[in-house]
Amino acid sequence: DAEITQSPRHKITETGRQVTLACHQTWNHNNMFWYRQDLGHGLRLIHYSYGVQDTNKGEVSDGYSVSRSNTEDLPLTLESAASSQTSVYFCASSASGVYEQFFGPGTRLTVL
Amino acid sequence: DAKTTQPPSMDCAEGRAANLPCNHSTISGNEYVYWYRQIHSQGPQYIIHGLKNNETNEMASLIITEDRKSSTLILPHATLRDTAVYYCIAIGSGGSNYKLTFGKGTLLTVNP
Repeated sequence: DAEITQSPRHKITETGRQVTLACHQTWNHNNMFWYRQDLGHGLRLIHYSYGVQDTNKGEVSDGYSVSRSNTEDLPLTLESAASSQTSVYFCASSASGVYEQFFGPGTRLTVL
Repeated sequence: DAKTTQPPSMDCAEGRAANLPCNHSTISGNEYVYWYRQIHSQGPQYIIHGLKNNETNEMASLIITEDRKSSTLILPHATLRDTAVYYCIAIGSGGSNYKLTFGKGTLLTVNP
């Protein structure tokens, strides 16, 4: 069955370190998204991509980057982790032309 | 995308119908109403969507008023596993803007 996976599921890192969160989908979806979720803020969009080599900034993109070299993967990189980036991160994907997104199980990141 | 307004919380007895309201009074003619839910510690899950007509699937029914300014998500026989935050989103069709903006949603608690 097609699915969307995230790894690692839990990560503890130190301030200033570079961290990469992986997202892999086997739906063959063109659209992929990264969200973060914090208490009191709900889900907020970080970056998104509508296809290979396409990336776009969301509402909270500062300190994050993504790259899309193939259809299946959209890794999220925190260039220099900060305590404010402690959060739960969700990856999602959708087919071209539709709004129905499939979400991964999430990665809980703690920056000490 | 039109702004949506939902009550912050609701309760429902197990086995009863749960009716979750959403106000989207500024919705435009080409905007769909989408519903997602998020069970604690999981990624959001698509439930249903509609444009003008009422819709039903295996999870829920969506009733949209004739003027399209509000809608109601109906879970016909709520179970304890339906306890979740429910998000109502109004989003336009067409173009390449397929990203979702999640508000605070409604926390539905199903009680035994």
